[in-house]
Amino acid sequence: QVQLMESGGGLVKPGGSLRLSCAASGFTFSDYYMSWVRQAPGKGLEYLSYISTGGTTINYADSMKGRITISRANAENSLFLQMHSLRVDDTAVYYCARLRQGNYFDYWGQGTPVTVSS
Amino acid sequence: QTVVTQEPSFSVSPGGTVTLTCGLSSASVSTRYYPSWYQQTPGQAPRTLIYNTNSRSSGVPDRFSGSILGHKAALTITGAQADDESDYYCVLYMGGGIWVFGGGTKLTVL
Repeated sequence: QVQLMESGGGLVKPGGSLRLSCAASGFTFSDYYMSWVRQAPGKGLEYLSYISTGGTTINYADSMKGRITISRANAENSLFLQMHSLRVDDTAVYYCARLRQGNYFDYWGQGTPVTVSS
Repeated sequence: QTVVTQEPSFSVSPGGTVTLTCGLSSASVSTRYYPSWYQQTPGQAPRTLIYNTNSRSSGVPDRFSGSILGHKAALTITGAQADDESDYYCVLYMGGGIWVFGGGTKLTVL
């Protein structure tokens, strides 16, 4: 079955960096667009970024544009999110999600929590 | 800035029917935005319910249905059950690799 497992979250100081990973299994990873979505404590879901199958097409939401880089390693069935210049308001659970038909999220990981605090 | 609007909260009686809506601040929602709906209970990952306006995701009971009602996307739950008590999010695809989530609706079943 499809599984997505995020890792790499944790406590980081403001201005710091973090690299999140998402390990995929149960499907042919290289056939699917992938994305990152986050959820701040007590808040709603927020789309961050997506990457095409080969990594050639990428887009970012305005909220973190310039501070995040999405990438993937198809040979390793892995998705990544490099984050830098982190702020307190970046504190959230970060989910990776598979994209289907290029327009909706069909499977989600359990999320990895990121806390930005001094 | 595109804003996707949802009712902050809604209440339904067990066995009742409820329709949650998803609007756009500056336009009518149509199928071209490929509305999708997600259910989330506290501490859990979202679960995909509806995609492409009215297609049910695998394993989703047929008491969940999606549609366009007037100028909004809609999620209707028919015969609400206690475990339908969750947060529900709609998402609109704006094109160009941009998705916008609504603020979510907290559904209470009581």
